[in-house]
Amino acid sequence: QSVLTQPPSVSGAPGQRVTISCTGSSSNIGAGYDVHWYQHLPGTAPKLLIYGNSNRPSGVPDRFSGSKSGTSASLAITGLQAEDEADYYCQSYDGSLSGSIFGGGTKLTVL
Amino acid sequence: QVQLQESGPGLVKPSETLSLTCTVSGGSISSYYWSWIRQPPGKGLEWIGYIYYSGSTNYNPSLKSRVTISVDTSKNQFSLKLSSVTAADTAVYYCAREHNYYDSSGYKQNWYFDLWGRGTLVTVSS
Repeated sequence: QSVLTQPPSVSGAPGQRVTISCTGSSSNIGAGYDVHWYQHLPGTAPKLLIYGNSNRPSGVPDRFSGSKSGTSASLAITGLQAEDEADYYCQSYDGSLSGSIFGGGTKLTVL
Repeated sequence: QVQLQESGPGLVKPSETLSLTCTVSGGSISSYYWSWIRQPPGKGLEWIGYIYYSGSTNYNPSLKSRVTISVDTSKNQFSLKLSSVTAADTAVYYCAREHNYYDSSGYKQNWYFDLWGRGTLVTVSS
């Protein structure tokens, strides 16, 4: 069982907007640690999508955005495209564990 | 551009030691933290631990008694050893480059992974 909680799946039609939630606790997100997001297509290297809650690395489209509030964070994807179909993971730091923690992952299906 | 590639046996017997190596190409291993992360079939990602290029390490407490991560800067490689493996250690193992920074208060240190390898499946079975 992952320390951060994500919905197992979300879906949306091309062009639509979807959000993926990530819920933590007082020892990680709630303690003020930042949240980072990754996109993963099976068989490939996971790709950093958002770091520091809302920052996009160079090359990541601005259709992807992140936010954080309290003990939760969200990834929003606007203008859904077929190529966005992938697994998405959130990650943070846990002060009790003294290490990085991940969410269980959310499978995005583009209808 | 910097790339990471995992290598090692795909099959390990129960009670034996799992050994993997990550080769960093296109850049230097120096001045960064390097991590191992795994994903059991059908499950989420689990951070195993990291090593700084100078050799200092930090391990996930749940695996600490069985894990050793080492670095060879002359070969631009770092390695993972996981001892006394069981079927529960069957997973895709990823190596990754880990970044750290302090928040605006200068108090909280945050970590994230900006580069990953493609992963290698290790199956524990007799």
